[in-house]
Amino acid sequence: ETGVTQSPTHLIKTRGQQVTLRCSSQSGHNTVSWYQQALGQGPQFIFQYYREEENGRGNFPPRFSGLQFPNYSSELNVNALELDDSALYLCASSLDRGGRSEKLFFGSGTQLSVL
Amino acid sequence: QQQVKQSPQSLIVQKGGISIINCAYENTAFDYFPWYQQFPGKGPALLIAIRPDVSEKKEGRFTISFNKSAKQFSLHIMDSQPGDSATYFCAALHYDKVIFGPGTSLSVIP
Repeated sequence: ETGVTQSPTHLIKTRGQQVTLRCSSQSGHNTVSWYQQALGQGPQFIFQYYREEENGRGNFPPRFSGLQFPNYSSELNVNALELDDSALYLCASSLDRGGRSEKLFFGSGTQLSVL
Repeated sequence: QQQVKQSPQSLIVQKGGISIINCAYENTAFDYFPWYQQFPGKGPALLIAIRPDVSEKKEGRFTISFNKSAKQFSLHIMDSQPGDSATYFCAALHYDKVIFGPGTSLSVIP
């Protein structure tokens, strides 16, 4: 059973640029959630994808968008990067049972720095 | 109403002591309360979880106490070890979204 893998591990961008982060789900999981974790804070829910469709969104602007592919891997795209976007971006996969994903399995994250 | 509050922000405990982290919530629609453990450079990992119809759940040295009427729950780590030094997050499930508290940094000193 493979775990959740994220790439790249670290990324440096400048303000205004666009970035794509990638996530491979744990084998057998059908749901992917993305979280933003600022330094010293808890993870904040960005959005969730279930069977290639967005299945819930947190309080993030539309410049944060995502995709889920048929193999359940996922991408997070952020346009027009701002300095406050600097954070650890976490992907979590889970098995959705009847509309609920109780157990999240996290990757190690992508550390994004916006200069 | 979507918030989960957590205290203390940081905690220092002697090896062998009991670590206690407290959380509170407002939204009675929350129906599943997990705790996650995060080491530096890693993502959070599920530690233990409880449903609101249970007042206590114990797994090894880790115990969750749940007070539904007070809308509070806590994590107790018995016989704390230096390897338990990490950041702990309480969380709550709202529909299909897990909402995290701000975290507690635990240091267990020899």
